Amino acid sequence: AQSVSQHNHHVILSEAASLELGCNYSYGGTVNLFWYVQYPGQHLQLLLKYFSGDPLVKGIKGFEAEFIKSKFSFNLRKPSVQWSDTAEYFCAVNAQGGNKLVFGAGTILRVKS
Amino acid sequence: DAGVTQSPTHLIKTRGQQVTLRCSPKSGHDTVSWYQQALGQGPQFIFQYYEEEERQRGNFPDRFSGHQFPNYSSELNVNALLLGDSALYLCASSLGHQETQYFGPGTRLLVL
Repeated sequence: AQSVSQHNHHVILSEAASLELGCNYSYGGTVNLFWYVQYPGQHLQLLLKYFSGDPLVKGIKGFEAEFIKSKFSFNLRKPSVQWSDTAEYFCAVNAQGGNKLVFGAGTILRVKS
Repeated sequence: DAGVTQSPTHLIKTRGQQVTLRCSPKSGHDTVSWYQQALGQGPQFIFQYYEEEERQRGNFPDRFSGHQFPNYSSELNVNALLLGDSALYLCASSLGHQETQYFGPGTRLLVL
């Protein structure tokens, strides 16, 4: 069965600090990978996705993620966070050809101004 | 461009009751998936509807059932509610059953 592990449940950073949120998945086949974000009081929004091609993908609001197949990882990065990045971030995976998204438990990011 | 909409936004039920939640997909989307998100956890896949049929089901009991209508909207029904069914129920839509899913705001269900 597929599973997704997010390394940190809570992260606190000061504005302008760099961010890296870890995500590892377990599945032996080809996968599609996603990061979703949930800002306070809002619904889940797609931040970025990887289906194939360049393993470094860029998303909205300056976020990027790198797919490292050998490590089964899809870590999310941002060079300089802003107070408005305070949110909960979810990594998700689905098997190519599959229907369901399997989510990690989420990482709550708080950015101090 | 209307996004995914869900109704109601909040619901309170008692144990043993039945509930129906509704979802309208994003304009142009034909596939609806339902997820349950318990407090402090990531969403868990319940099932997906495509072409009015259940295409895949997660690890949920038969008390959870659904339907998709010809206009692609969908309902999630939960019978014989348990306290543990209290959660945020999310609907996601996509164009095709293997494409990127876009989420609605959810229905928060509280079972007393």
